[in-house]
Amino acid sequence: ETGVTQSPTHLIKTRGQQVTLRCSSQSGHNTVSWYQQALGQGPQFIFQYYREEENGRGNFPPRFSGLQFPNYSSELNVNALELDDSALYLCASSRAGGVETQYFGPGTRLLVL
Amino acid sequence: KNEVEQSPQNLTAQEGEFITINCSYSVGISALHWLQQHPGGGIVSLFMLSSGKKKHGRLIATINIQEKHSSLHITASHPRDSAVYICAVLSNFGNEKLTFGTGTRLTIIP
Repeated sequence: ETGVTQSPTHLIKTRGQQVTLRCSSQSGHNTVSWYQQALGQGPQFIFQYYREEENGRGNFPPRFSGLQFPNYSSELNVNALELDDSALYLCASSRAGGVETQYFGPGTRLLVL
Repeated sequence: KNEVEQSPQNLTAQEGEFITINCSYSVGISALHWLQQHPGGGIVSLFMLSSGKKKHGRLIATINIQEKHSSLHITASHPRDSAVYICAVLSNFGNEKLTFGTGTRLTIIP
């Protein structure tokens, strides 16, 4: 059983650019949740995808968008990057819409200059 | 006020000490998670519980639903337990998102 993987591990972008982060869910999981963790803070919920549909969204602007594929892997897209978008982006996969234990990936560390 | 509050924010203890980390929350929940985050960012789920008590090795987690409070205990602490411990709650409002506390940074000194 493979765990949750994320790519890339690190990324440096400049303000105004766009970025795509990827997450492969654990085998047998149909739900992926994305979180943003600023330095020294707890993670903040961005959104969740369940069976390819968005299943809830946190307090993030529309320039944060996502996608889930038929194999349940997922992408997080951020347009018009701002300096405050610099953070660790975590994805977590689970069964059944997130009500069961969520398994976290190692994260993608994004730095916006 | 945050929906999930943890205490203490930082904790330094000697190897072998009994450790307690507390979590209080203000919303209705269907479950509570205790997570461990090591430097570099990787998060490991330690427990998910909705009532009572769970034990795994030297780790024990308890939850009191009426008091909206949970504790994570570590017995016979070891330097490898040094990490940030995060409490996260799964709300029961139909949107199954995790709301996280800001974490407790634990340092165990040999």
